[in-house]
Amino acid sequence: GQQVMQIPQYQHVQEGEDFTTYCNSSTTLSNIQWYKQRPGGHPVFLIQLVKSGEVKKQKRLTFQFGEAKKNSSLHITATQTTDVGTYFCAGLPYSGAGSYQLTFGKGTKLSVIP
Amino acid sequence: DTGVSQDPRHKITKRGQNVTFRCDPISEHNRLYWYRQTLGQGPEFLTYFQNEAQLEKSRLLSDRFSAERPKGSFSTLEIQRTEQGDSAMYLCASSLGAGDGTDTQYFGPGTRLTVL
Repeated sequence: GQQVMQIPQYQHVQEGEDFTTYCNSSTTLSNIQWYKQRPGGHPVFLIQLVKSGEVKKQKRLTFQFGEAKKNSSLHITATQTTDVGTYFCAGLPYSGAGSYQLTFGKGTKLSVIP
Repeated sequence: DTGVSQDPRHKITKRGQNVTFRCDPISEHNRLYWYRQTLGQGPEFLTYFQNEAQLEKSRLLSDRFSAERPKGSFSTLEIQRTEQGDSAMYLCASSLGAGDGTDTQYFGPGTRLTVL
């Protein structure tokens, strides 16, 4: 079945440093979604990427979707303590049957040292 | 609050008991999803409804699990004869149901199940 791998599993950064998490799928994706989960909270949707090579920005966050639609990355510039949490990517596979089964990576847990 | 709601937020039960969770999606959303999340893992897909029809079920969903969405609005997830391995956070999500596969799923706060 489809697998989505995410690295690193943990990242500790000083406040103000940049942070990047990478996501790789074993199969070509229809789209990829990114979520943030704060400690004790639930996943909150950040963004969806659909097109090959797509790049989207949200303030200090930059999201990329690979040309082959099998990998993606999230980059945070100048991290702040409010960025703390676990960032998940979730891939939706191409499926002629119209599957909506999202496969989540294991997440990257970000800690920001003030 | 017009987000996804789940009830109860916490459930502690003894092994062998049955439990039922409820999810109320965002009102205009016609798709509803159930996920399970254990510590240190991402959410794992369990099942999905389009209106009242259950269209996909994961292989993770054993015979002890059943989900319903009788009127296409709220949904229930029942676990029969609970086992300690069922301890997890059960998350519900809903989406509008865009036909082009660009659905955005909005998650509820989850029900944390502890099986003793």
